[in-house]
Order: sequence, then structure tokens, then C-alpha cells
Amino acid sequence: LAKTTQPISMDSYEGQEVNITCSHNNIATNDYITWYQQFPSQGPRFIIQGYKTKVTNEVASLFIPADRKSSTLSLPRVSLSDTAVYYCLLRGHNAGNMLTFGGGTRLMVKP
Amino acid sequence: NAGVMQNPRHLVRRRGQEARLRCSPMKGHSHVYWYRQLPEEGLKFMVYLQKENIIDESGMPKERFSAEFPKEGPSILRIQQVVRGDSAAYFCAAGVAGGPVVQFFGPGTRLTVL
Repeated sequence: LAKTTQPISMDSYEGQEVNITCSHNNIATNDYITWYQQFPSQGPRFIIQGYKTKVTNEVASLFIPADRKSSTLSLPRVSLSDTAVYYCLLRGHNAGNMLTFGGGTRLMVKP
Repeated sequence: NAGVMQNPRHLVRRRGQEARLRCSPMKGHSHVYWYRQLPEEGLKFMVYLQKENIIDESGMPKERFSAEFPKEGPSILRIQQVVRGDSAAYFCAAGVAGGPVVQFFGPGTRLTVL
């Protein structure tokens, strides 16, 4: 399984833009890049998924360079409620592909 | 979390007892995945089921653990003769056929073994 590497933790302040980069040098052709957010005592929540270039939704943007060996989750104007663990995952195209979670990035947003 | 329900939310068992964890995916979600999370760690895949079939159980311990997803009713993760090391949060995720499939997670069941 392709492995992902992301920072263990990050600090930010309210109102700032936060960019979390994930490395996945051995990404496979059929892998999609997926990001989840997890608050304490809750299940992971899907944020965004992409294959290449840029994807944007109401919550975040995902930037993927042409070589797809890394990706960057961008959270615009974070608030205290964005304090959570963010997981970068790779998953195949098929429904049967389980998600492999690493340690994630613990984002702390300060007032 | 797209309507995936899990119960109970908290479960306390003594060593040697059985634990039954239930997962009800939302209508139309015929794929169920179970994950386990220890404190301060990421989730670890256990088993993937479709209705009445176990597709992949490579992450599930060979003994004491079993899972099912019957034609009618919720998916059940069953742990027999629980030990303290089974204490963890167990999450169920659901998805639909056709990809790239997004898995939607339930709120989890926190199992504590005394």
C-alpha cells in the first residue's frame, strides 16, 4: 500500500489560511487522494477528494501537482472549531479498497 | 456523517464477556467497513462486508472476532471473550458501489473492558 507522510502537528491562529502538505511518492495510477477530519470522540468526516490539479468545495481546497507525489489541503480562514486531526489517505478506485490511516496532522487553532 | 448509525455509543464489558457492536448504514449504502482506533492512533482497517458477504477480513484478528452484514438489519461486529486490549473505539463506515467511493463514518462505539 502506498504510504503517506504528513506533519505530526501544526499550530495556527484564527482567521489564517492553513496549508497541510502530504507526501505520497509511491502513489499508484488509480489512487485518489482523500482527506478526512476527526474531532475527539467522533468518527472521521470526509473533507475532500481529488485525483489531479485542483479541487475546491465549500470547506477546503486540494492542490495536486502534475506528478501527484504530494498534495496540499488548504483551509481558508480557520476558526477554533477547525482544531482537529487531519488525515491524508490514498485509496483505489474500487469500492473494496479500505482506507489506510496514518497518524494524521493535529491542527491546533489558537485565538 | 451521512446518517451512519452505530450503537451502543459506549459499551463496558468485563473480561471474558461478549461485546456486540452494531452499525446501520444509510439506505443504499451496501458496503460496510469496520475500523478500530486505539488512543492517539489512526484508524486500522478490520473488515469489509457487503450484504451477506465478507469481502475482506484481512485486518481482523483470527480469533474471538467476527462480523456479519445480513440481508436485513445492521452489520454486527462481535467480540467474544473480551480482553483489556480490546478496549478501543470501533468505527463503522459505509459506502456505495462504484468509485471513487467515499466512505462515510459513524460516530463510533467506545468499548471499555474492565
